Amino acid sequence: KAGVTQTPRYLIKTRGQQVTLSCSPISGHRSVSWYQQTPGQGLQFLFEYFSETQRNKGNFPGRFSGRQFSNSRSEMNVSTLELGDSALYLCASSPGLAGAATGELFFGEGSRLTVL
Amino acid sequence: SQQGEEDPQALSIQEGENATMNCSYKTSINNLQWYRQNSGRGLVHLILIRSNEREKHSGRLRVTLDTSKKSSSLLITASRAADTASYFCATAHTGGFKTIFGAGTRLFVKA
Repeated sequence: KAGVTQTPRYLIKTRGQQVTLSCSPISGHRSVSWYQQTPGQGLQFLFEYFSETQRNKGNFPGRFSGRQFSNSRSEMNVSTLELGDSALYLCASSPGLAGAATGELFFGEGSRLTVL
Repeated sequence: SQQGEEDPQALSIQEGENATMNCSYKTSINNLQWYRQNSGRGLVHLILIRSNEREKHSGRLRVTLDTSKKSSSLLITASRAADTASYFCATAHTGGFKTIFGAGTRLFVKA
């Protein structure tokens, strides 16, 4: 089975631009969660999508948004980029809801965003 | 705020020694998980322990969970240089249905 695939792996943007990151979950997995990882803040939960519906959201501004398609692929978008958005964005999939009793997460390699 | 907090923040040991990392959390959980991350890569799931379990083993890994103290520990026995990585505990808290990660413990195993 193919693992979780994130694209692009690396990207450089400038302040004010927007970016879209893509995540293809493991086949059959219906939940996709997104995390932001920075040296100072660690892994911060962004949101989780399950069956095309956002089920949970972290404490991020509205500039951060996401969606999930019928094939469970997910995208996240960050608009009006700020320097502080530079981070490794990680996507994780699970068969059921991430917080369930057996909710093991399978991570992709991440998309490293640098904002100049 | 983060649900899980790991201790110590960093740990340096010799190959062959055991490594113990601790995690504390704040609210009731469905499960607690441990993950490993090699520098700049994605996280790899190591082990999941449910709230009604007290101990779990997987190869050289041993995880304990004490729900009365809201704490867990990860023991890596007979460590190897390849175990050098960051280790994170993650908690799925009841009613929230999201998995929250701690700040991680950086383990360095010297050959």
